[in-house]
Amino acid sequence: NAGVTQTPKFRILKIGQSMTLQCTQDMNHNYMYWYRQDPGMGLKLIYYSVGAGITDKGEVPNGYNVSRSTTEDFPLRLELAAPSQTSVYFCASSYERVATEAFFGQGTRLTVV
Amino acid sequence: EDQVTQSPEALRLQEGESSSLNCSYTVSGLRGLFWYRQDPGKGPEFLFTLYSAGEEKEKERLKATLTKKESFLHITAPKPEDSATYLCAVQGRAGGGNKLTFGTGTQLKVEL
Repeated sequence: NAGVTQTPKFRILKIGQSMTLQCTQDMNHNYMYWYRQDPGMGLKLIYYSVGAGITDKGEVPNGYNVSRSTTEDFPLRLELAAPSQTSVYFCASSYERVATEAFFGQGTRLTVV
Repeated sequence: EDQVTQSPEALRLQEGESSSLNCSYTVSGLRGLFWYRQDPGKGPEFLFTLYSAGEEKEKERLKATLTKKESFLHITAPKPEDSATYLCAVQGRAGGGNKLTFGTGTQLKVEL
């Protein structure tokens, strides 16, 4: 049972380039999330999804896009990378039952230069 | 807006020296308070969920408690392998999707 899998683990982008961070889960969770973690700032929610075809903005959505075509996959798209998007990105998933814990992937460390 | 404040930011303990980490929160109707452990270069790993004031949960050397304004993570006789960053998060009633609001964490270092 792999849980939540993120790829790639590391990436360096140049300003203005685009990329997609991949996230897949094998726990049949309906709810999925993208967080970013910056030093001293805690985890901030970028986007979340409550099921296939349904996505919504979190606290810091600017500069990102998501899609949810299947229950398993929740990719995060950066269209025009900026240095402010240098961060560690975590994907997570959970059951829809209220106050249930989220399971996190291992993270993607992204540097924009 | 839900808010979580953790203290101290960093804590160094000797092996066997017990201590507590604090998580103060404000939330519009608490659904759950969560504790996670995060090792360097890894994703957060779930430890506990607390649902109402007065509740306590234990796991090995860790014990989490909850009041209406804060939660404590008590570490009894810690070992070097307990070294990690401990994150606190809350889930409130506002909005949907079981979203979590995280604190900035306490970085714990346990030395021999």
